[in-house]
Amino acid sequence: SQQGEEDPQALSIQEGENATMNCSYKTSINNLQWYRQNSGRGLVHLILIRSNEREKHSGRLRVTLDTSKKSSSLLITASRAADTASYFCATDADTGGFKTIFGAGTRLFVKA
Amino acid sequence: KAGVTQTPRYLIKTRGQQVTLSCSPISGHRSVSWYQQTPGQGLQFLFEYFSETQRNKGNFPGRFSGRQFSNSRSEMNVSTLELGDSALYLCASSSRRSLGDEQYFGPGTRLTVT
Repeated sequence: SQQGEEDPQALSIQEGENATMNCSYKTSINNLQWYRQNSGRGLVHLILIRSNEREKHSGRLRVTLDTSKKSSSLLITASRAADTASYFCATDADTGGFKTIFGAGTRLFVKA
Repeated sequence: KAGVTQTPRYLIKTRGQQVTLSCSPISGHRSVSWYQQTPGQGLQFLFEYFSETQRNKGNFPGRFSGRQFSNSRSEMNVSTLELGDSALYLCASSSRRSLGDEQYFGPGTRLTVT
């Protein structure tokens, strides 16, 4: 079973607009990561936020983490057509080995 | 620095057969994780190997197995294939010295079981 639930499942926006995706998880985590996947290819790591951090920025990406609500959000500002992809959140809990659990993903479509 | 490579990229097998997939991690990475991705179940963790030892395993039947060699290359094997095993199999490598080390994913092997 998956750890994270993402919201929305799909999002369609115009180029230049901001896109916000949300992720909720169930258990205690050590960190939360966001990945991008283009058309069934391999995943690309976007950003990692540790459990003791609340917000992190990387270029046009802004990630927040609220451990009390067990939720995170990914904001992509000034979106581009090239941002069209599926976005996944993933959590790592130290279970005596590392086990990354992915959410169901949000499919983002940016219209030019 | 070469990325994670997976072979083969595409594979078609028949129910009941077995299959072996290969993953070569980034040079210097000692951790390799395997994931199965299907439209219905999404991305699911299969197992992780670190220095030839399986450190963690997901909730998959014993038909799914793996191993890691001394050069960190990893293979996963699926025996007695079922139609539901059709999926994109992704491997990821990491230095994994500590939690939070980034994982680098390969392009995946797309397995179709007929």
